[in-house]
Amino acid sequence: QKEVEQNSGPLSVPEGAIASLNCTYSDRGSQSFFWYRQYSGKSPELIMFIYSNGDKEDGRFTAQLNKASQYVSLLIRDSQPSDSATYLCAVNDRMDSSYKLIFGSGTRLLVRP
Amino acid sequence: GAVVSQHPSWVICKSGTSVKIECRSLDFQATTMFWYRQFPKQSLMLMATSNEGSKATYEQGVEKDKFLINHASLTLSTLTVTSAHPEDSSFYICSAARRGRIKDTEAFFGQGTRLTVV
Repeated sequence: QKEVEQNSGPLSVPEGAIASLNCTYSDRGSQSFFWYRQYSGKSPELIMFIYSNGDKEDGRFTAQLNKASQYVSLLIRDSQPSDSATYLCAVNDRMDSSYKLIFGSGTRLLVRP
Repeated sequence: GAVVSQHPSWVICKSGTSVKIECRSLDFQATTMFWYRQFPKQSLMLMATSNEGSKATYEQGVEKDKFLINHASLTLSTLTVTSAHPEDSSFYICSAARRGRIKDTEAFFGQGTRLTVV
């Protein structure tokens, strides 16, 4: 069974700090990795996706992928209280040429003013 | 990003009745649509995957006769919860996938439907 693991948190950081969210996955063949943000009672919204080893930056967000170690992380710089949400890591499952996302259980982030 | 519209956003129904939830991709043609269920404080659990014009593929443990999925067009998929019971109360979320600019497919979520069965 393919798995995506995340620490449930909550991860508490002060406003302005860097928040680091981590995710590990079990399927070494996974090729696509996504970070979603979900506010309470809302559906997830895509923050970033990453396919290649290394870092990918988009504004205050940086996704990091290490396929050899099977982990992907999300850094949020200059954290704001509005960043407080649950962050879901998702991995593409390419079994049988289909496409579906396997989600982790999410990490709850709290940014303290 | 692309827009996926899900309707209704919330619904209350009596036990034993059926409820239909619609998922539409508004500005792109979705190659595949997915239906998820999320219980409080838990992650999204994939229920089924549907491709236009073919039968849905259900995940293990999901009753296909209870959760009917129809994918009539490249922009519309529906989920019908038949003979709903209180334990079916949950947050149902659809997502639609389109061919991305890079090599893979991107998935966009609808707003979700909060179903309460009384």
